[in-house]
Amino acid sequence: GENVEQHPSTLSVQEGDSAVIKCTYSDSASNYFPWYKQELGKRPQLIIDIRSNVGEKKDQRIAVTLNKTAKHFSLHITETQPEDSAVYFCAVLGMDSNYQLIWGAGTKLIIKP
Amino acid sequence: DGGITQSPKYLFRKEGQNVTLSCEQNLNHDAMYWYRQDPGQGLRLIYYSQIVNDFQKGDIAEGYSVSREKKESFPLTVTSAQKNPTAFYLCASTAGQGGNEQFFGPGTRLTVL
Repeated sequence: GENVEQHPSTLSVQEGDSAVIKCTYSDSASNYFPWYKQELGKRPQLIIDIRSNVGEKKDQRIAVTLNKTAKHFSLHITETQPEDSAVYFCAVLGMDSNYQLIWGAGTKLIIKP
Repeated sequence: DGGITQSPKYLFRKEGQNVTLSCEQNLNHDAMYWYRQDPGQGLRLIYYSQIVNDFQKGDIAEGYSVSREKKESFPLTVTSAQKNPTAFYLCASTAGQGGNEQFFGPGTRLTVL
């Protein structure tokens, strides 16, 4: 079945710098790749997603890039701010898991003042 | 707050007892999901339902049961057969199936005493 690996597990960056989180997947037929943000004690919320017919999508300081050939996609956060501190999860729509999302293990992003 | 609610927020259970977690949504979504989240880990799918009166096992269904008698409601029962039930439980819903945003409830934190 689909396997999703997310790296790094923890990322600490200086406020104002950029952060990049990467996920790799195994099923080349996968076609939907969302990113969720979960603040401490809160529910996960979708921040950006991308479908396989595009290579990049941007929303203000957040962008996602997709490399279908290499089977990886990345979340890019520019000009990081304290409110970006959270756990970020990638997910992949699994074609062979009855179209359910397969989740990465999460990345804890720490923004240092 | 997103149209999907869970209750209670905190739940304590003695070993050997069954307990039911509530999940209700007013988003008119067809699909609903139950996830389990353990500290420092991603989301693991317990059960999902894509239509009323039908549901499917996820990756960790053992020791859990669900029902989907109404479109708006998808309660989860944690049975005494679940060996390690202490965790944070998240319910989610989505329009259609597969590649659409999942909206999460606020979660229920279950502790077995």
